[in-house]
Amino acid sequence: AQSVTQLGSHVSVSEGALVLLRCNYSSSVPPYLFWYVQYPNQGLQLLLKYTSAATLVKGINGFEAEFKKSETSFHLTKPSAHMSDAAEYFCAVSSTGTASKLTFGTGTRLQVTL
Amino acid sequence: GAVVSQHPSWVICKSGTSVKIECRSLDFQATTMFWYRQFPKQSLMLMATSNEGSKATYEQGVEKDKFLINHASLTLSTLTVTSAHPEDSSFYICSAATPLLGANVLTFGAGSRLTVL
Repeated sequence: AQSVTQLGSHVSVSEGALVLLRCNYSSSVPPYLFWYVQYPNQGLQLLLKYTSAATLVKGINGFEAEFKKSETSFHLTKPSAHMSDAAEYFCAVSSTGTASKLTFGTGTRLQVTL
Repeated sequence: GAVVSQHPSWVICKSGTSVKIECRSLDFQATTMFWYRQFPKQSLMLMATSNEGSKATYEQGVEKDKFLINHASLTLSTLTVTSAHPEDSSFYICSAATPLLGANVLTFGAGSRLTVL
């Protein structure tokens, strides 16, 4: 069984501030973890993925995430928020290594204010 | 890059009618496509896995006679909501996978919002 919990359905930060979106997972086997971003009226785009290589994963648009097995976490961070980062972010887990059985979190809406 | 197109993006229908949603991979061949359903403020729930040329595999609790999936070509999968009712109103999203892009890489469509009156 696998599951994902995203803490905070809505996060608001000021432009230039640190972005931290939290994701905790549950998996009976070593997981594959993903962060997706969804802009309004668009499909989900892959931000980054962890597939058992380096625990610190760098993605697009300056985002990165760190896999912490001891904390079963895969939090998404960005040092300095930009207005264009405002979107819905989804964390997902797969225990099979393929995309066929992704389990998504409920999403976190990031708001960036001036 | 890989692009998946969904059509229509918005659809309103009367209760009892059927609605077809198309999912197309525009610049690659998709051996497998996935259909999800998303309720407001909830996560994406996998409904079924669609493999080209074979029957779709439905997740537990999803009515296969209610949600008909056809994957007749490597670039097109369709989801038909039959005899739609207001409780079928939701956001439906498709994604496509192809081994050429990596086993754990999915390309998502923009989604189709269905409202049943």
